[in-house]
Amino acid sequence: KQEVTQIPAALSVPEGENLVLNCSFTDSAIYNLQWFRQDPGKGLTSLLLIQSSQREQTSGRLNASLDKSSGRSTLYIAASQPGDSATYLCAVLDTGRRALTFGSGTRLQVQP
Amino acid sequence: SAVISQKPSRDICQRGTSLTIQCQVDSQVTMMFWYRQQPGQSLTLIATANQGSEATYESGFVIDKFPISRPNLTFSTLTVSNMSPEDSSIYLCSAGDRRSSGELFFGEGSRLTVL
Repeated sequence: KQEVTQIPAALSVPEGENLVLNCSFTDSAIYNLQWFRQDPGKGLTSLLLIQSSQREQTSGRLNASLDKSSGRSTLYIAASQPGDSATYLCAVLDTGRRALTFGSGTRLQVQP
Repeated sequence: SAVISQKPSRDICQRGTSLTIQCQVDSQVTMMFWYRQQPGQSLTLIATANQGSEATYESGFVIDKFPISRPNLTFSTLTVSNMSPEDSSIYLCSAGDRRSSGELFFGEGSRLTVL
């Protein structure tokens, strides 16, 4: 059974810092990996999608990498802003299960 | 991308009653799922909604408690039956298309409070 772990569980940084969120998964037979953002009381917004054959994806200040063989992904946020404050969720889509398995999330707070 | 609309966005329900949540996608999708997010927790998959056939439930979730319909490629419903306070959660619909990138999108969720 796929298990997804995210470290750290919470992070507080001053505005302007570059930061890295970590995600690990136990079964490397994945179809893709997605990073989501969730604001309090809201649904999920898809940030980046990395296919199993890809190494990284970039969108603006966000960069996500994938090392499938080691079961790891990182989300890099450059020049953090208070508006980046949210919970960031990593999820993998298994080739067999056809459904996303989520990590427990990293709660990020960017101090102005 | 797919835009997903859920109704209701929130509701307060009495113990023992049932509530049906609707999920509408703005395009045809091959995959639809229902997730639950309990307070302070991450998302747990309830079931895969299969078009024209019975849903596929995850361990710990049963059809009698969470009946699901998916009559076509753009619409699904989840019913939470005989509710108890432990069912107070956010219920989220997710959809995507394996014929394209396989990226999954989520609705805004339905926040249920059971008294």
